[in-house]
Amino acid sequence: DVKVTQSSRYLVKRTGEKVFLECVQDMDHENMFWYRQDPGLGLRLIYFSYDVKMKEKGDIPEGYSVSREKKERFSLILESASTNQTSMYLCASSFGGRSTQGHTGELFFGEGSRLTVL
Amino acid sequence: AQKITQTQPGMFVQEKEAVTLDCTYDTSDPSYGLFWYKQPSSGEMIFLIYQGSYDQQNATEGRYSLNFQKARKSANLVISASQLGDSAMYFCAMRRTGYSTLTFGKGTMLLVSP
Repeated sequence: DVKVTQSSRYLVKRTGEKVFLECVQDMDHENMFWYRQDPGLGLRLIYFSYDVKMKEKGDIPEGYSVSREKKERFSLILESASTNQTSMYLCASSFGGRSTQGHTGELFFGEGSRLTVL
Repeated sequence: AQKITQTQPGMFVQEKEAVTLDCTYDTSDPSYGLFWYKQPSSGEMIFLIYQGSYDQQNATEGRYSLNFQKARKSANLVISASQLGDSAMYFCAMRRTGYSTLTFGKGTMLLVSP
């Protein structure tokens, strides 16, 4: 089974702190994603990566950065956390690289990291 | 840009009844894929079913079926014989062929009562 593991289920941080959310997948997927989920807004894409050291902005990248130094690991970084970044963060991975050629493109999700910024 | 619309914030159904969750989408691309995911209270997103835009038949997976009406740009999820464990948030999503990202709707909360 595909396994996507997020390092923390629950985090509480203070405004201005630097926050790292880590995600590891064990199925050799090319693509990895970070989404943010808020009530009434659904899932919104923050960043994604289709290869090591490659990244592309999603719909709401402001206030976030990412790092992908190894294929299996994709980190989301909040350089200076703010209260409006309190949210559920979902990491996902999928086959196929940039075009997902030959695959449905199904995303495999981790269990989510609920971040509260005080 | 793609857009997914789920007009039902919440739905109630009794156990053993069928329920339809609505999803409409907007895209100018001729080729795309449609997905449904389930998110129970535990938070993990569970993939349910996939429909390609050129698939001739509606997708089915056990008690889940996707009522795909391409001309109306709708991709409704039908759950037959609802169970208490079906209580969850359900998300419709779309992917453009040739791209790896999914665009999600806002979700529908389904509550199944005994």
